Amino acid sequence: AQSVTQPDIHITVSEGASLELKCNYSYGATPYLFWYVQSPGQGLQLLLKYFSGDTLVQGIKGFEAEFKRSQSSFNLRKPSVHWSDAAEYFCAVVPLYGQNFVFGPGTRLSVLP
Amino acid sequence: KAGVTQTPRYLIKTRGQQVTLSCSPISGHRSVSWYQQTPGQGLQFLFEYFSETQRNKGNFPGRFSGRQFSNSRSEMNVSTLELGDSALYLCASSLANRQGGETQYFGPGTRLLVL
Repeated sequence: AQSVTQPDIHITVSEGASLELKCNYSYGATPYLFWYVQSPGQGLQLLLKYFSGDTLVQGIKGFEAEFKRSQSSFNLRKPSVHWSDAAEYFCAVVPLYGQNFVFGPGTRLSVLP
Repeated sequence: KAGVTQTPRYLIKTRGQQVTLSCSPISGHRSVSWYQQTPGQGLQFLFEYFSETQRNKGNFPGRFSGRQFSNSRSEMNVSTLELGDSALYLCASSLANRQGGETQYFGPGTRLLVL
């Protein structure tokens, strides 16, 4: 079945440590790929997106993501996490043949001082 | 440019009632999508409206409906509320001049509690 997976439900990192959040998708063609962040009680904010071209994408707040076609992955990274990054992170996919977003289950990030 | 706005932000209803939620998209955006977010099911797509027409629909019962007005504002309605309808309802807008891949911008959501 076509889906978006985020294998880590919850990740805890120390402030200043590096971060990688995983996202895998199972669609035949390369879909459009997005990462969103949601703070408690808030809507979703776009961090970055990949449509085509350079497979390393830079986003806001110091985040980047790398698209790897061979692994059907679009992992999110940040070299040094700040306490304000604590939130829930969603990977989302838009298959080329349709326009509705499919969201992964989300990864909750906790940051230790 | 103002972002996506949703009203009301919070609602408490009882089973069997109906509810209407409102969404005003970013100026110039013609597509509005609705999502339901719950702890158990995550983010699920409800439907998308473009130029006052429903263009896409998720897998929800007919109790969930929506519409879009000529100014792109959208409403969604849930009739005969059930306890399981308690959720955060998110609205997102996009330019959507072409199908597929348009970035969606989300509102803060309406939190609905059904008692």
